Amino acid sequence: DSGVTQTPKHLITATGQRVTLRCSPRSGDLSVYWYQQSLDQGLQFLIQYYNGEERAKGNILERFSAQQFPDLHSELNLSSLELGDSALYFCASSGGDRSYNEQFFGPGTRLTVL
Amino acid sequence: AQSVTQLDSHVSVSEGTPVLLRCNYSSSYSPSLFWYVQHPNKGLQLLLKYTSAATLVKGINGFEAEFKKSETSFHLTKPSAHMSDAAEYFCVVSASGSARQLTFGSGTQLTVLP
Repeated sequence: DSGVTQTPKHLITATGQRVTLRCSPRSGDLSVYWYQQSLDQGLQFLIQYYNGEERAKGNILERFSAQQFPDLHSELNLSSLELGDSALYFCASSGGDRSYNEQFFGPGTRLTVL
Repeated sequence: AQSVTQLDSHVSVSEGTPVLLRCNYSSSYSPSLFWYVQHPNKGLQLLLKYTSAATLVKGINGFEAEFKKSETSFHLTKPSAHMSDAAEYFCVVSASGSARQLTFGSGTQLTVLP
């Protein structure tokens, strides 16, 4: 158990809908990262927050957005969902925001868009 | 820019024989390099990391990796495979510049035969 929790574990929804994925980092970790894992794209970095502020952006679509709250939990919002958004979404946390900081991954949220 | 190439998508070994998972990287900055493992339906777990200290890095569960700058490689090895090592392995690079996100390789599926 990494100490990172993600809810829900599974999510099934329809095209065009909007969903929110939630992540609670390990106690004391200030950085939260979001990743998308799909069969065709592999594991891709989406976005990073550090202590409430956006720190780095990867291949995140404009339909997706995220935020980190004062209690350091984070939410990833996915809107106007398409079939291709079906994937496993991971959240990770680390104590700092340096490249060498180990990231601890949550168990993921599996999103299925029908 | 940074990238990582895992040279084998699938590796199959017999239990008790050595494991070699190959990884080459490209990075404009001095990189941090990681190997993560993903067991079925689980999140990712850090096996080991290189952050410009010793070039031979020892990780958990008997795994180790050697950073070779001249060959831009970071291959993962284990002297004797165990059935529980069957999983997907990801080689990951993180540049020490302003971009702190992780870039993942495409993964190597390790099968351990009895």
